[in-house]
Amino acid sequence: KAGVTQTPRYLIKTRGQQVTLSCSPISGHRSVSWYQQTPGQGLQFLFEYFSETQRNKGNFPGRFSGRQFSNSRSEMNVSTLELGDSALYLCASSLEQYNSPLHFGNGTRLTVT
Amino acid sequence: LAKTTQPISMDSYEGQEVNITCSHNNIATNDYITWYQQFPSQGPRFIIQGYKTKVTNEVASLFIPADRKSSTLSLPRVSLSDTAVYYCLVGNAGGTSYGKLTFGQGTILTVHP
Repeated sequence: KAGVTQTPRYLIKTRGQQVTLSCSPISGHRSVSWYQQTPGQGLQFLFEYFSETQRNKGNFPGRFSGRQFSNSRSEMNVSTLELGDSALYLCASSLEQYNSPLHFGNGTRLTVT
Repeated sequence: LAKTTQPISMDSYEGQEVNITCSHNNIATNDYITWYQQFPSQGPRFIIQGYKTKVTNEVASLFIPADRKSSTLSLPRVSLSDTAVYYCLVGNAGGTSYGKLTFGQGTILTVHP
C-alpha cells in the first residue's frame, strides 16, 4: 500500500508570495492533518480535515489555510509568505478510529527568501 | 493534552539494547502512548503504541507500568541506522482531537560503531 505522498518535495519562494502544498493520504484514510517543523519550535500542529471539513486547528495565523477534496487529498496554502515560514511541512493521514496512529509523508521543505 | 518529558539525547553502541524513558504524569484515562522515529528531512514514522503493560512488535517493545505515568521504549540490538530522533506522545488521534498530537522535543539517539 502506498504511503502518504507530498508534493513538491522542495520549494523556494520569495517573501510576500503565496504557496500551495499538496498531500495524498494512504488509501482508505479519511483524516488528514498538517504539521510545521522548524528547528526552534519543533513539530507544531496546523490543522486537520475529515470529509472535506476542518475539525481541528492549531495556533497559526489566518495566512495558513487548507482544504480537503472528496477523494481525501488535501492542500494547504500559505499567503503573504514571511521568512519565518521557512520550515518542513508535514502531512499525516489516519483511519477514523479512536487510537489510530498518524502516518506521515516525508514533507515539503519550504524556503522563503 | 498530557505533557511529556524525555531525555534530550542518548548515546549507545551497535548491538546494545537501548531504553528510552518518557514521563507523562498527567496522562488521562483515554490516552494512549505512542512512539515515533524521525530521520533528518523525513516525516516521523510510527514505531509502537500501547495503553498498559507491555507491547511488542517486530522492531521494539513498550513497557508501561500500572500507574501509566511513564513508559519505556526498548530497542533491541541497535544498529547505526537506528540513529534518529525518538518522540513519545501521549493522547489519542481520535475522539475530539483527531490528528492533533503534541510533539515534545524528542530524544536524539546516536548509535556509535
